[in-house]
Amino acid sequence: EAGVAQSPRYKIIEKRQSVAFWCNPISGHATLYWYQQILGQGPKLLIQFQNNGVVDDSQLPKDRFSAERLKGVDSTLKIQPAKLEDSAVYLCASSTGPQGREEKLFFGSGTQLSVL
Amino acid sequence: SQQGEEDPQALSIQEGENATMNCSYKTSINNLQWYRQNSGRGLVHLILIRSNEREKHSGRLRVTLDTSKKSSSLLITASRAADTASYFCATDATGGYQKVTFGTGTKLQVIP
Repeated sequence: EAGVAQSPRYKIIEKRQSVAFWCNPISGHATLYWYQQILGQGPKLLIQFQNNGVVDDSQLPKDRFSAERLKGVDSTLKIQPAKLEDSAVYLCASSTGPQGREEKLFFGSGTQLSVL
Repeated sequence: SQQGEEDPQALSIQEGENATMNCSYKTSINNLQWYRQNSGRGLVHLILIRSNEREKHSGRLRVTLDTSKKSSSLLITASRAADTASYFCATDATGGYQKVTFGTGTKLQVIP
């Protein structure tokens, strides 16, 4: 079974530039999550989709971050413009969902973003 | 925001010893999961314990849950160098949908 695919693996940008991350979840998984993990901290949920609808985006800085999941499959997370404090690993995860409450999450390898 | 806080933040033990990590959380939960993360990349699910369970085993892992104290512990027995990683607890708070919130993590080093 193919895992969660993320690209790129690394990205270095200047502050105020734009960046986009892509995620392809495990086939058939209805729920997709984007987490931000700052060095030395636990992952923080940015946005959660069920199929192509947003379930939770309460911690997404909407003035600069946006995400979409067209057709309920792959997803893109964008930052525009980037700030220094956005330097982090961006993790995508998926779970079978949508009704379960005991869903384990499958994670991709993440994208490490450095904002200079 | 982080739902869980883990203790200790870092732990260094010799191979063959047992490692215990603790997690405290703030709100009522449906279940609690433990994940492992190697080298700051993707996390791997280890075990899930429901709110009505007190203890669960999986191989060398033993998880306990005390909902009255809002705390959980993860015990790794007979540790190996390959267990070196960061370990995170993750809670699913009661509510309309599953929302998995991670703790701050414990960094475990197992010395060969």
